[in-house]
Amino acid sequence: DQQVKQNSPSLSVQEGRISILNCDYTNSMFDYFLWYKKYPAEGPTFLISISSIKDKNEDGRFTVFLNKSAKHLSLHIVPSQPGDSAVYFCAASANTDKLIFGTGTRLQVFP
Amino acid sequence: NAGVMQNPRHLVRRRGQEARLRCSPMKGHSHVYWYRQLPEEGLKFMVYLQKENIIDESGMPKERFSAEFPKEGPSILRIQQVVRGDSAAYFCASSPSKGRAKTQYFGPGTRLLVL
Repeated sequence: DQQVKQNSPSLSVQEGRISILNCDYTNSMFDYFLWYKKYPAEGPTFLISISSIKDKNEDGRFTVFLNKSAKHLSLHIVPSQPGDSAVYFCAASANTDKLIFGTGTRLQVFP
Repeated sequence: NAGVMQNPRHLVRRRGQEARLRCSPMKGHSHVYWYRQLPEEGLKFMVYLQKENIIDESGMPKERFSAEFPKEGPSILRIQQVVRGDSAAYFCASSPSKGRAKTQYFGPGTRLLVL
């Protein structure tokens, strides 16, 4: 049972444009959400998080939006840069300390 | 300001051997988590430990896998009698000691290959 889903395995965006990565979840008990970026042969790097009491959190070029009624969150990257090319994972937790990860979306930013 | 350290980065074992994976958390962090990533999949939670205590091992296979986080030294994930299906990347993460700190910081991983 995949509680956190990233339905787009890949996304290709031109440099300078906006990248939108999506994530859906099924467990209404999730109260904290995170996005990680991962390069090949490295560990995931924390990007940004959001608590369920908020609907938006922004940090530089990264903004995460949370729609609790739709059980959907998204990560916006603007402007996209070639160095953003990586696999992006969303993760969620439900008042516990273990994270439930999606399967990832591979973002490619081309010139 | 070292991050989460894991070693070895790569480990090759033959079927039936033991694998030991080590993780040193970030300075000041006393919560350690182990995750496994199979090819083309997301990370799957295995176990959560604090110093000398296993807090949540709901993701650990029932047999052959064990984990510890002693008072002194790194956390160890031990896999006995490895099989080919154990080949995966194993990631350790740590989080701060206080507060409802959910942000986990990951190490570079250990890539285990079972021949």
